Amino acid sequence: GAGVSQSPSNKVTEKGKDVELRCDPISGHTALYWYRQSLGQGLEFLIYFQGNSAPDKSGLPSDRFSAERTGGSVSTLTIQRTQQEDSAVYLCASSLETGAYEQYFGPGTRLTVT
Amino acid sequence: AQSVAQPEDQVKVAEGNPLTVKCTYSVSGNPYLFWYVQYPNRGLQFLLKYITGDNLVKGSYGFEAEFNKSQTSFHLKKPSALVSDSALYFCAVRVFSGNTPLVFGKGTRLSVIA
Repeated sequence: GAGVSQSPSNKVTEKGKDVELRCDPISGHTALYWYRQSLGQGLEFLIYFQGNSAPDKSGLPSDRFSAERTGGSVSTLTIQRTQQEDSAVYLCASSLETGAYEQYFGPGTRLTVT
Repeated sequence: AQSVAQPEDQVKVAEGNPLTVKCTYSVSGNPYLFWYVQYPNRGLQFLLKYITGDNLVKGSYGFEAEFNKSQTSFHLKKPSALVSDSALYFCAVRVFSGNTPLVFGKGTRLSVIA
């Protein structure tokens, strides 16, 4: 079946502009996660959604970052007033539920802020 | 707080030799442990997980990992490495109870030399 998809695959933006990154999870998966992977670094947790519960936003690095998940499916990560340090690969993952279930990752969006 | 350590940034092995990629963890409670692999320019792929039960877990592509509670380790192993195993490997942990996010190590780059 279809995996997790993300769009765009690449995004180049100027410092100070806003960007939106999209994630389509696997159908039926109730949990959705956003991570950031910087060059030479591991995965940094940003935010996750589980069903209709309030999202866990504990990993968002600043109030310029926000995310929403509409209808329990598609999610959008928004970065306002982008900075050069926001340049990274943004990965989305989904899982059937949280807990013991493995996460399935999308191919990522490579964001470059010039 | 949860944490994962992958003490080696890079591991090099000759094709046909056994390989080990090390992982140690710290959690308050019983852990769920995962290994993921990332091939160049691709998202992460799930390899295997430990939830409970047998300490030796078998996963995809001939990989296995051994859970050692006393040493808080979950090393990834394969009896005979292939050149195609060359990739970036991530260990991850979450605590058994509660809706905490998955915490990833910084990754270990495995190079298998022909």
